Amino acid sequence: QVQLVQSGAEVKKPGASVKVSCKASGYTFTSYDINWVRQATGQGLEWMGWMNPNSGNTGYAQKFQGRVTMTRNTSISTAYMELSSLRFEDTAVYYCARGLGFSYGHWGQGTLVTVSS
Amino acid sequence: QSALTQPASVSGSPGQSITISCTGTSSDVGSYNLVSWYQQHPGKAPQLMIYEGSKRPSGVSHRFSGSKSGNTASLTISGLQAEDEADYYCCSYAGSGTVVFGGGTQVTVL
Repeated sequence: QVQLVQSGAEVKKPGASVKVSCKASGYTFTSYDINWVRQATGQGLEWMGWMNPNSGNTGYAQKFQGRVTMTRNTSISTAYMELSSLRFEDTAVYYCARGLGFSYGHWGQGTLVTVSS
Repeated sequence: QSALTQPASVSGSPGQSITISCTGTSSDVGSYNLVSWYQQHPGKAPQLMIYEGSKRPSGVSHRFSGSKSGNTASLTISGLQAEDEADYYCCSYAGSGTVVFGGGTQVTVL
């Protein structure tokens, strides 16, 4: 069955960077886009961007342009999302999700990133 | 992009039908038949309930249906059940490879 397993919780200081991984199994990794969505505590879902694991092409929400980088390692079926220049307001649960068109039928379990001094 | 507009909360009694609206613009909801809906229980990842406006993924109850009129999409839950109590989010393609979510609606089963 399709599974997306994310890396564990992180605590970072303001100004630092965080890199979250998302390991895919149960399907051909290069056949579906991986999207990243975040959710601050008690808040709604916020789309961050997408990556095509086959080509490496990416597209980012304007809000995160210049701060986010999405990459992949096809040999281990893993996608990565790196967010730099962290701010307190970046504290959130970060999800990876497998795209089918512009809908997301499979999600990772989420990774809590806490930005704290 | 601005978030799609959803009511903060909707409630209904068991067995009733409720409808959640999702209002966007002519640049997102109104331009594409690419609205999806997600159910999220506390502490869990979202689950896809409707895609491409009105299609149900395998395993999703027929009690969930989606529609669209102009710049507003809607999710209807018929025969409301206790297990339907959750947060619901709409999502739309917004052009140029971008996506926008709604602010979310908390559904309460009375």
